[in-house]
Amino acid sequence: DVKVTQSSRYLVKRTGEKVFLECVQDMDHENMFWYRQDPGLGLRLIYFSYDVKMKEKGDIPEGYSVSREKKERFSLILESASTNQTSMYLCASSPGGFDPYEQYFGPGTRLTVT
Amino acid sequence: QKEVEQNSGPLSVPEGAIASLNCTYSDRVSQSFFWYRQYSGKSPELIMSIYSNGDKEDGRFTAQLNKASQYVSLLIRDSQPSDSATYLCAARGGTNAGKSTFGDGTTLTVKP
Repeated sequence: DVKVTQSSRYLVKRTGEKVFLECVQDMDHENMFWYRQDPGLGLRLIYFSYDVKMKEKGDIPEGYSVSREKKERFSLILESASTNQTSMYLCASSPGGFDPYEQYFGPGTRLTVT
Repeated sequence: QKEVEQNSGPLSVPEGAIASLNCTYSDRVSQSFFWYRQYSGKSPELIMSIYSNGDKEDGRFTAQLNKASQYVSLLIRDSQPSDSATYLCAARGGTNAGKSTFGDGTTLTVKP
């Protein structure tokens, strides 16, 4: 079974703090994704990566950055957390290439910024 | 227009009935389609994938794809209260081949 893990299930941070969300997958997948999910707004793609050290902006990259130094690990960074970044953050991975493979999701991190 | 649109719901059906969930997509180049189920407070889990026109059945679930009409549906037969969840439709392999585009989801409630 594919396993995608995220470093925290719940996180509370203060405005202005630098926040790191970590995601690790154990299936040697090339593609990894970060989403946020908010009521009424659905699942929105922040960034994705299709290879080590490669990254692409998603639909809402502002205020976020990412790092992928190793194939299995994809980190989302909030340089200076703001209250509008309070959300559920979901990491996902999938095999690479253009084959139509599904994405496997981690359990999510519910981040609250106060 | 959203790239993937779903019935906003909520959808409520009695136990044992057929639940029908619908999805349309705008990128004609999309190649593959997925249905995810998401329980409240949990992450999405894949329940069906479909790549070719027609029907695909897996237990109580049937996915239907019509590429000419750019339409995907999910039928749940003999609905159970445990099917109560939000169902997300996703399309992949369009102009941005590496990523999936998700609909906003339809919330289904199955009443005992």
